[in-house]
Amino acid sequence: SAVISQKPSRDICQRGTSLTIQCQVDSQVTMMFWYRQQPGQSLTLIATANQGSEATYESGFVIDKFPISRPNLTFSTLTVSNMSPEDSSIYLCSVEDYGGQIYNEQFFGPGTRLTVL
Amino acid sequence: GNSVTQMEGPVTLSEEAFLTINCTYTATGYPSLFWYVQYPGEGLQLLLKATKADDKGSNKGFEATYRKETTSFHLEKGSVQVSDSAVYFCALLRFKAAGNKLTFGGGTRVLVKP
Repeated sequence: SAVISQKPSRDICQRGTSLTIQCQVDSQVTMMFWYRQQPGQSLTLIATANQGSEATYESGFVIDKFPISRPNLTFSTLTVSNMSPEDSSIYLCSVEDYGGQIYNEQFFGPGTRLTVL
Repeated sequence: GNSVTQMEGPVTLSEEAFLTINCTYTATGYPSLFWYVQYPGEGLQLLLKATKADDKGSNKGFEATYRKETTSFHLEKGSVQVSDSAVYFCALLRFKAAGNKLTFGGGTRVLVKP
């Protein structure tokens, strides 16, 4: 399975500022995903990021608020823009690992815990 | 649309007790089913999975069987340990050309007391 790291692991930010979260994978993967986990809640998919194409956003998430980059097959960034306290969450990236299996599964990074004051 | 429903927590157990966490799903076609675990302060780890009806996933003493007739994927462990205290998420994966999508249940917090 892929080894996934995220930076920063946590941050405390002021409202109105932006934070860019990095996700690095130790092997090339086709699909990368960004999720949000609000306090005490489950995970919600923000967007799917494929290398060489625009990210695909889920309902309720827009590119202006959560711009995503996917410059190569091992790296992606998510920016949380113009932050408000409601953006306080854990942000997780995940990757899809075909692993030679007939089905797909996703592996998750450790997450970035964001607190907006 | 696809959805996953799991029992609400918290579930509080004594060590060596039997654990069951119910999970049911709604989906078209034949999704793959997963249980993920999130230990305190950590990210999600894949616990076990099943890809077709009647498959049984197992890992670390946990088991879950893909029941298509009841659209369920209940998680069980015969004898829990304090180290099993965590939040457990049931999820389904639907294949899409634009990128496979995981849909998660709300999570169940389990607390095992010595």
